Amino acid sequence: GQQLNQSPQSMFIQEGEDVSMNCTSSSIFNTWLWYKQDPGEGPVLLIALYKAGELTSNGRLTAQFGITRKDSFLNISASIPSDVGIYFCAGFSNSGYALNFGKGTSLLVTP
Amino acid sequence: KAGVTQTPRYLIKTRGQQVTLSCSPISGHRSVSWYQQTPGQGLQFLFEYFSETQRNKGNFPGRFSGRQFSNSRSEMNVSTLELGDSALYLCASSLAQGSGKKETQYFGPGTRLLVL
Repeated sequence: GQQLNQSPQSMFIQEGEDVSMNCTSSSIFNTWLWYKQDPGEGPVLLIALYKAGELTSNGRLTAQFGITRKDSFLNISASIPSDVGIYFCAGFSNSGYALNFGKGTSLLVTP
Repeated sequence: KAGVTQTPRYLIKTRGQQVTLSCSPISGHRSVSWYQQTPGQGLQFLFEYFSETQRNKGNFPGRFSGRQFSNSRSEMNVSTLELGDSALYLCASSLAQGSGKKETQYFGPGTRLLVL
């Protein structure tokens, strides 16, 4: 599979701050997915994007499917301590069937 | 609707043994994919099953195998375990492979395998 470039690798922020992370690929994707994983658990789907330019929100989370179809962004507004975890981007390329993953962004939020 | 379930949650084995992990997909989902997650390599695709047939396979040795039953439940097997097989094994289900919402994958909690 194709490895996605996800950044930043980690973030250490204060409660109430906004967070942005992004993911890029070298090829065109037709689906972008954002997951959150807590220690010892499986990834939980946060937001799914299916069309270039699509902007979708889930509570304080907002994600966008880049218009080039090679990138995606996730924003978290007004972070809270329970936002702590590892956030993964993932996607399907036009030529593949396996879900490709980024290496994850580790988010730490201090009260 | 119940989510993806995996059993067992934790497993300890020794080198050379074999192990079988089980996954029950979300009701109505017909595609089951398996992933290996390690700190060094991240999430890596093992294989995907649909209608009891393996449709896609990642770059893992033949010691890793799987199957899917008529009720869409899936098992994966690892034979002749090696220390490097220690990992979190994740199962994900989707309605079907295709474009758009049908292929969105939902993950189970994983099976943590430790090989000693």
